Parts: sequence; structure tokens; C-alpha cells
Amino acid sequence: SAVISQKPSRDICQRGTSLTIQCQVDSQVTMMFWYRQQPGQSLTLIATANQGSEATYESGFVIDKFPISRPNLTFSTLTVSNMSPEDSSIYLCSVELGSSGANVLTFGAGSRLTVL
Amino acid sequence: DAKTTQPNSMESNEEEPVHLPCNHSTISGTDYIHWYRQLPSQGPEYVIHGLTSNVNNRMASLAIAEDRKSSTLILHRATLRDAAVYYCIFKGNQFYFGTGTSLTVIP
Repeated sequence: SAVISQKPSRDICQRGTSLTIQCQVDSQVTMMFWYRQQPGQSLTLIATANQGSEATYESGFVIDKFPISRPNLTFSTLTVSNMSPEDSSIYLCSVELGSSGANVLTFGAGSRLTVL
Repeated sequence: DAKTTQPNSMESNEEEPVHLPCNHSTISGTDYIHWYRQLPSQGPEYVIHGLTSNVNNRMASLAIAEDRKSSTLILHRATLRDAAVYYCIFKGNQFYFGTGTSLTVIP
């Protein structure tokens, strides 16, 4: 298994500002993902953070709004840009461990953002 | 997206067994069925996964239908700490989460 640390754990932000969330893994992993969980909802995949190349975004998410960095195999950041109250969510970093189809996900504790 | 269907909520009495159903009729022959749970104010945690045969681990058992279009997560003796949202998912291209089942455990 892997241990994932996310920072900040929570924050209150002003409309129009941007916030960067950090995700640190205690081992090298190939696949790293960012999810969003809006209040009372399930998890929605934002993007796959690819090491050494641009992130792969899911439908409905764009790089200008959610720029992602992945400088190495243990670290990634997600920035939520030009925030509005609709961006108030928990943002979760996860990694995929294992081989072939038996891969499992490990999640960080999440970063709870409230936008005023 | 890889689609699963689960009841929105279920209740169980403490120390009783709980059977959480999931339908995944579009699953392919090589996709593993995964179950995760999310305790309040935490990220999801892995529970169990399987391909064709029933699986057991220290947390739960997974019963997979012969046609693989449905599965059931079995908690043998529910405790208050098992109160969580349980997600059944399979990985198409990625891990897509459905709405999950919110399990309430009654003391």
C-alpha cells in the first residue's frame, strides 16, 4: 500500500482567487489521479496526472481551470483557478497500485475547500 | 464511463450480516469488480476486489454472480464503525465512482 499526504486539509478561499493542493506519495507510482467530491455527492474524476507530460482531463474539466503538475513519480499538484462558490468541494488525490487488472486505488484524506 | 447501480441507502442492525448489492451489466470479461467505502470526513478506502470467484478478506466477502453482471458485498457482522458509503466500481479505462450505498448501522 501507499501513504498519501495532501495539503492543505481544508481552506476557506475568496471568490476569484486560486489555490494549489499538494499530493505527496511515500513511494513511486505511475498512475496518479485527482477527484472532486461536491457536497453530498459521489466522486468525479477530474484528470489523470501524467509524469513528464500534460495531464489527461475528463469531459467537463479543462486545464485552464484545473492546472495539474506532476514533476516526478511521488508528487503532484492540482490548482483550482479563479474560484467561485461552485468550486466548494473536497478534492482527493489517489494513486493506483498493483499489476494488471487487479490494481487498487489508495486515496489521500482530501482537501476540503470552501469558497466564499 | 463504467456504470454500476446500487441502492442509495441501506440499514442494518449492529452485529447482523449486511448484504450490499451492485449491478454492473456492462462489465467486460477482464474487468475486476472493486468495492471501496468512505467513512465520514475521510477519503475512500479499499475493501475488496475480485474477478470471477468469490473472495474473502479480513474486512468482507465478495460474492460474484456467475454471469458477472452483479455482485454482493457481505459484511458478516456489522459494527457501528462500518457506517459509511460503499462504492461498487469496475475499471473501464479509469475508476469511475457511482452514487454508492449509504449504510446506516443501528445499535
